[in-house]
Amino acid sequence: DTGVSQDPRHKITKRGQNVTFRCDPISEHNRLYWYRQTLGQGPEFLTYFQNEAQLEKSRLLSDRFSAERPKGSFSTLEIQRTEQGDSAMYLCASSSVQGGTQYFGPGTRLTVL
Amino acid sequence: SQQGEEDPQALSIQEGENATMNCSYKTSINNLQWYRQNSGRGLVHLILIRSNEREKHSGRLRVTLDTSKKSSSLLITASRAADTASYFCATVAGAGSYQLTFGKGTKLSVIP
Repeated sequence: DTGVSQDPRHKITKRGQNVTFRCDPISEHNRLYWYRQTLGQGPEFLTYFQNEAQLEKSRLLSDRFSAERPKGSFSTLEIQRTEQGDSAMYLCASSSVQGGTQYFGPGTRLTVL
Repeated sequence: SQQGEEDPQALSIQEGENATMNCSYKTSINNLQWYRQNSGRGLVHLILIRSNEREKHSGRLRVTLDTSKKSSSLLITASRAADTASYFCATVAGAGSYQLTFGKGTKLSVIP
């Protein structure tokens, strides 16, 4: 097992376009998290899945953001009608234990022009 | 919102010296975790300390937790140039909420 993977690693898009990111967690982990990190700040929580159920959502997750984990394995995060303020690193993490260590992927860096 | 506040925001030391970073938080926690992040990369988990623990060690790392003061410290002994990174503390509230709430981090530079 090679850890959490994210795709793509970098995405440049124009304002108003939709983007989708993918996260593949560590295979035996049933918990998956999305975070967003802007320059000079710590990551901020976006949403959490246990298996395919989305159990927590941050107020940061506006109506333009949607996340899915249809079969309880990989997850996608979609941003519709992107804005310049969406430019950030989007990080995915997974864990096997509730409230335990989270293992992070390398992140997807989004730049909205 | 950010829960933790790391102190200092930046720290520069010579290789071989010890580095101490502090973290304060606001609400009760289930556990506190420290992560390292190299520039532009993902986060690497360093150590987890539970609310009923006071100190933990892992290699050159020592973490303390004082729940009465809502604070934690991370000590890196005998620092190396490879320790240069940003260090974040993150808390887990528990009681149905298992997200990590991060501080803004301490940027550590170890000069060879």
